[in-house]
Amino acid sequence: IVMTQTPLSLSVTPGQPASISCKSSQSLLHSDGKTYLYWYLQKPGQSPQLLIYDVSSRFSGVPERFSGSGSGTDFTLKISRVEAEDVGLYYCMEGIHLPWTFGQGTKVEIK
Amino acid sequence: EVQLLESGGGLVQPGGSLRLSCEGSGFMFSWYAMSWFRQAPGKGLEWVSAMGATGGTDIYYTDSVKGRFTISRDDSKNTLYLHMISLRADDTALYYCARRDPNSHFDSWGQGTLVTVSS
Repeated sequence: IVMTQTPLSLSVTPGQPASISCKSSQSLLHSDGKTYLYWYLQKPGQSPQLLIYDVSSRFSGVPERFSGSGSGTDFTLKISRVEAEDVGLYYCMEGIHLPWTFGQGTKVEIK
Repeated sequence: EVQLLESGGGLVQPGGSLRLSCEGSGFMFSWYAMSWFRQAPGKGLEWVSAMGATGGTDIYYTDSVKGRFTISRDDSKNTLYLHMISLRADDTALYYCARRDPNSHFDSWGQGTLVTVSS
């Protein structure tokens, strides 16, 4: 599966919203009814951290300003009001078809 | 607190071998499927290999490492391993281990161990 993210970079003013798109080359809807799409944030110098799983479920401790949506092959991560601590690389990942694959990453920086 | 600590990385010549370790703590290690990922310098994330929880037979590899890498685990030591042979320059990367939640997402990652393949 090919995961395609857009844009590849984003410069955002603090307090403004941001949105990242992720498109998969095949549907991520499993026969069990779940859609295996995750979002990760890799802050500078750190390992990836899970933000969103199953398209729209926020992981424990993730701020409410992060939200995920979408279905099938089209997905979106939204940050309602970007904060300085949100800088880093955002990756979507599919977990339904081996080999599990990531998008290219979207670099978010603060203006 | 869930923690994963990788070790075993280093500089190795092309064709050489290394064994990476990932020790887990703060959770019932044997209950969880685990995976290895890697990130080449300045590049994105790549899944490498996965192993099911104890008692399962699920082992998977990405095509580029099949026949060269072997994943294993020792639950008595709460440790996941990745034995790598016939290493190539394009295996150079920061290698992460990650825990897979039963709901299938990878919820905890280690800090990584760097493997450099160079003469």
